[in-house]
Amino acid sequence: LAKTTQPISMDSYEGQEVNITCSHNNIATNDYITWYQQFPSQGPRFIIQGYKTKVTNEVASLFIPADRKSSTLSLPRVSLSDTAVYYCLVAPYGGSQGNLIFGKGTKLSVKP
Amino acid sequence: GAVVSQHPSWVICKSGTSVKIECRSLDFQATTMFWYRQFPKQSLMLMATSNEGSKATYEQGVEKDKFLINHASLTLSTLTVTSAHPEDSSFYICSARKPDRDTEAFFGQGTRLTVV
Repeated sequence: LAKTTQPISMDSYEGQEVNITCSHNNIATNDYITWYQQFPSQGPRFIIQGYKTKVTNEVASLFIPADRKSSTLSLPRVSLSDTAVYYCLVAPYGGSQGNLIFGKGTKLSVKP
Repeated sequence: GAVVSQHPSWVICKSGTSVKIECRSLDFQATTMFWYRQFPKQSLMLMATSNEGSKATYEQGVEKDKFLINHASLTLSTLTVTSAHPEDSSFYICSARKPDRDTEAFFGQGTRLTVV
């Protein structure tokens, strides 16, 4: 499974857009990029997944350049409740999705 | 709502005793479930893969005789921490994937184990 690198922490203020970039230089052709959110003392929660270009859902957007060696999670207009750790994972679609290797994640702190 | 549920959410036990943690898939059958451990301010570490009807697969460095996994049904996997010691105190999390949704893994709410 491809290794990922993310910033350890980020600070933001309410209402701002937050972009968290993840590097995955060794991503394989059949790998997808998935982001999870984890609050303290809770299990991770799926945010978004993509293969290339741009994916958007009700909570975030995911930007993936053509070479797929990095990806950027974009959180529009963050609120205090978005304070959490965000994990970027790279894994083959389907069969290995449950067997996920977590990196250190990015601790996002949203301030009022 | 939650699709994977763990019980208990937290447990305190005495050193030397055993503790069982349950992981249930609520509205789907999961032939495979995964158990993770997370120490404070650290990331999740995969401990083992629980396979329904067969033996679990443990990650390197995880003692299979200490962390007993049973996946007796398609909706229930249990992790038993045997002869627990203070260093086993951690946050244990299970996950499963819906057969018809390959896009995401569903995680339980986690179990905080404190061994005193």
